[in-house]
Amino acid sequence: AQSVTQLDSHVSVSEGTPVLLRCNYSSSYSPSLFWYVQHPNKGLQLLLKYTSAATLVKGINGFEAEFKKSETSFHLTKPSAHMSDAAEYFCVVTTTGFQKLVFGTGTRLLVSP
Amino acid sequence: EPEVTQTPSHQVTQMGQEVILRCVPISNHLYFYWYRQILGQKVEFLVSFYNNEISEKSEIFDDQFSVERPDGSNFTLKIRSTKLEDSAMYFCASRGTGTGFSGGYTFGSGTRLTVV
Repeated sequence: AQSVTQLDSHVSVSEGTPVLLRCNYSSSYSPSLFWYVQHPNKGLQLLLKYTSAATLVKGINGFEAEFKKSETSFHLTKPSAHMSDAAEYFCVVTTTGFQKLVFGTGTRLLVSP
Repeated sequence: EPEVTQTPSHQVTQMGQEVILRCVPISNHLYFYWYRQILGQKVEFLVSFYNNEISEKSEIFDDQFSVERPDGSNFTLKIRSTKLEDSAMYFCASRGTGTGFSGGYTFGSGTRLTVV
């Protein structure tokens, strides 16, 4: 069965410093992986997705993630944090069949001035 | 950009009452889903729906839950007799066909259900 592990429940950064949110996946098949962001009291917004094309995936708002099969990782990065990046971030993997999404437990990103 | 629309945004109901959560998926999408997120917890899969029938459901999706696509546009989740533990944010999502996930999922903004 597919699963993802988000290694940090909270990450705190200062505005203008790099962001790293870590995710490891487990999958019996070549996975499709996503990062979603949820701002307070808002819905889920797709940041980026990996679907077996380029291993370095660029998303919205300056975020990117690199698929590393050897490390079973799909970490999310951003060179310079902005206050508006403060939110909950979910790493997500798909399953086969009708391809439901399996969510990680989330990482809350806190950005201080 | 096409959106998935969910109504209402917030619903309060008494324990034991029936509730219907409504969703309007993206018009050319064929796969429909409900997920829920209990406060402070991760997002959990409830059910997927394709070709007018349930294609997969989780252990959460017991006999108290049902889904329906009553017409060409709406997709509903019914909870027959709500329990306190059904309080959560419920997300509807739809997905089109295409190569891999080129279309991707689109989520609605959610319905916050509070059972009192």
